[in-house]
Amino acid sequence: AQSVTQLDSQVPVFEEAPVELRCNYSSSVSVYLFWYVQYPNQGLQLLLKYLSGSTLVKGINGFEAEFNKSQTSFHLRKPSVHISDTAEYFCAVSARVNDYKLSFGAGTTVTVRA
Amino acid sequence: DGGITQSPKYLFRKEGQNVTLSCEQNLNHDAMYWYRQDPGQGLRLIYYSQIVNDFQKGDIAEGYSVSREKKESFPLTVTSAQKNPTAFYLCASTGQHGAFNEKLFFGSGTQLSVL
Repeated sequence: AQSVTQLDSQVPVFEEAPVELRCNYSSSVSVYLFWYVQYPNQGLQLLLKYLSGSTLVKGINGFEAEFNKSQTSFHLRKPSVHISDTAEYFCAVSARVNDYKLSFGAGTTVTVRA
Repeated sequence: DGGITQSPKYLFRKEGQNVTLSCEQNLNHDAMYWYRQDPGQGLRLIYYSQIVNDFQKGDIAEGYSVSREKKESFPLTVTSAQKNPTAFYLCASTGQHGAFNEKLFFGSGTQLSVL
């Protein structure tokens, strides 16, 4: 079975500063990895995904994430955040087999202040 | 417009009562999911279904039941055995059978509370 751990529950950050959200996963097989975002009072949206190929994945709204197999990590970064990036961010993992089970982490709340 | 419809938006359960949450999609997706969202715990997988007439338990299936008689529908029943049912329930779906390379589409959720 696979699982994911988000290492920070709350990340306060000032506007235009960089942010990194940490995600580690555990799995006995190869995985697909995802980051989703939930803005206040809205549903979840896909930010980016790693399926194969380049370990640096670029997503929407200037976010990127790097897959590190040796460290079993998939950290999310943005070089300069905006107030509108205030949201909850979820890392998710699925095994690379014909199984659609998708497990989410506990989430990281990012609060951007002016 | 294509999408996922969850109903009702708010639901109240009395002690000992079973309640059913509806999830319908018109995206022609094979796979459907039920997640429970609690503050500080993220989304926890209750059940998922890869194809009609088949479903699997997720990480917290106890006290819940599902059915998948039609491709477009995946109702979730919260039984009286679920002792802490108050939560926000999200239904999701995704498209391609046999290759997980599609994003999940989420419904707008159902808030279940205990009276």
